[in-house]
Amino acid sequence: EVQLVESGGGLVQPGGSLRLSCAASGFSFSAYWMGWVRQAPGKGLEWVANINDDGSEKYYVDSVKGRFTISRDNAENSLYLQMNSLRAEDAAVYYCVSLMLMMFADVWGQGTTVTVSS
Amino acid sequence: EIVLTQSPATLSLSPGERATLSCRASQSVRSYLAWYQQKPGQAPRLLIYDASNRANGIPARFSGSGSGTDFTLTISSLEPEDFAVYYCQQRGSWPRTFGQGTKLEIK
Repeated sequence: EVQLVESGGGLVQPGGSLRLSCAASGFSFSAYWMGWVRQAPGKGLEWVANINDDGSEKYYVDSVKGRFTISRDNAENSLYLQMNSLRAEDAAVYYCVSLMLMMFADVWGQGTTVTVSS
Repeated sequence: EIVLTQSPATLSLSPGERATLSCRASQSVRSYLAWYQQKPGQAPRLLIYDASNRANGIPARFSGSGSGTDFTLTISSLEPEDFAVYYCQQRGSWPRTFGQGTKLEIK
């Protein structure tokens, strides 16, 4: 069974940092692009970042450029999102997604919640 | 950035009825459009990719059509479990963007 399990969310003060992790199983992780999508409380979906299969290509939405870093460890079947200089508007549920099906988000994790508050 | 505009914002229908949801792009995304379903407290689920292809396990009552800037998601006969929020999403260019969602509610 294809599965994505996020961890690392929590409460952080504005300006703080957090590292999200996503453990992948049930598919050939190293062969596929991966991404992070977020959803602020009561709001719609926002695509945050993508990374290619070997980690050499990365794309970010403008609002997180220079603050967030997406990375992966193919030996560990894991995806990461390092979030620095966090702002109140970064508070959201963060979903790890696989992009196996024509680069669309075909498998989603259950999400991990990030709260930014003093 | 490509803006996706979904209409209507809310659609009130009864089980058994036909639902038609619209998504309009601010510029052409060719056929690079997907539809997702999200129920309260759950992650979204991919329904349709490349405008008209059903994802694995998606019932045949869900169908997608369109290309360029105008797309439609049709649910031929609503089941009780279909009442949810639906999002369109494009991968025609970066950043990937979603529509604001259509809430399909029981009338």
